[in-house]
Amino acid sequence: QVQLQESGPGLVKPSETLSLTCTVSGGSINNNYWNWIRQPPEKGLQWIGYIYYTGNTNYNPSLRSRVTISVDTSKNQFSLKLASVTAADTAVYFCARGHYGNAEFDFWGQGSLVTVSS
Amino acid sequence: DIQLTQTPSFLSSSVGDRVTITCRASQGINSYLAWYQQKPGRAPKLLIYGASTLQSGVPSSFSGSRYGTEFTLTINSLQPEDFATYYCQQGNTFPVTFGGGTKVEIK
Repeated sequence: QVQLQESGPGLVKPSETLSLTCTVSGGSINNNYWNWIRQPPEKGLQWIGYIYYTGNTNYNPSLRSRVTISVDTSKNQFSLKLASVTAADTAVYFCARGHYGNAEFDFWGQGSLVTVSS
Repeated sequence: DIQLTQTPSFLSSSVGDRVTITCRASQGINSYLAWYQQKPGRAPKLLIYGASTLQSGVPSSFSGSRYGTEFTLTINSLQPEDFATYYCQQGNTFPVTFGGGTKVEIK
């Protein structure tokens, strides 16, 4: 059974860079798409972007100028960086595996709450 | 971006009821529509993909259908563990987008 686990700081100051890592266990990071999705408190879900194990990426245009997703296949991990954060970036951040060409998401991490505040 | 309009946004039902949630896409998305269940403090759980294919391990009381750009999730005989928020999601066109959610509560 594939398991995903997010890790990273829970508090980030405004204008700084949010950094999270997702560790994949129970399966290989190869031959799959890996996604970041976020959910502001009491709100809906927003897809941030994906990385294929080869390093190919695709980002949500609304965040593209600030987002970088990278992969480390040797560690079975992928990471998210979101630059120049504001309070509007406060959210639970989920990592998730793409299913069948990334049309939907079948395995999710438990989520990591990141608060942007000084 | 493709907009997904979910209705209703809130639903109050009783155990044993049949519940239907609708998701309408702003343009064609073929059958690249998935449904998720989310409980408080938990990650979403994939229920249905390809508009009507049940994910492994999901009870057969859940079903999905498509009519053009209108999609429905039906829960037959609502169980206590089914009270949650449900989201639709399209994977046909980037960026991937989600519906606004439907909260199903106990009457």
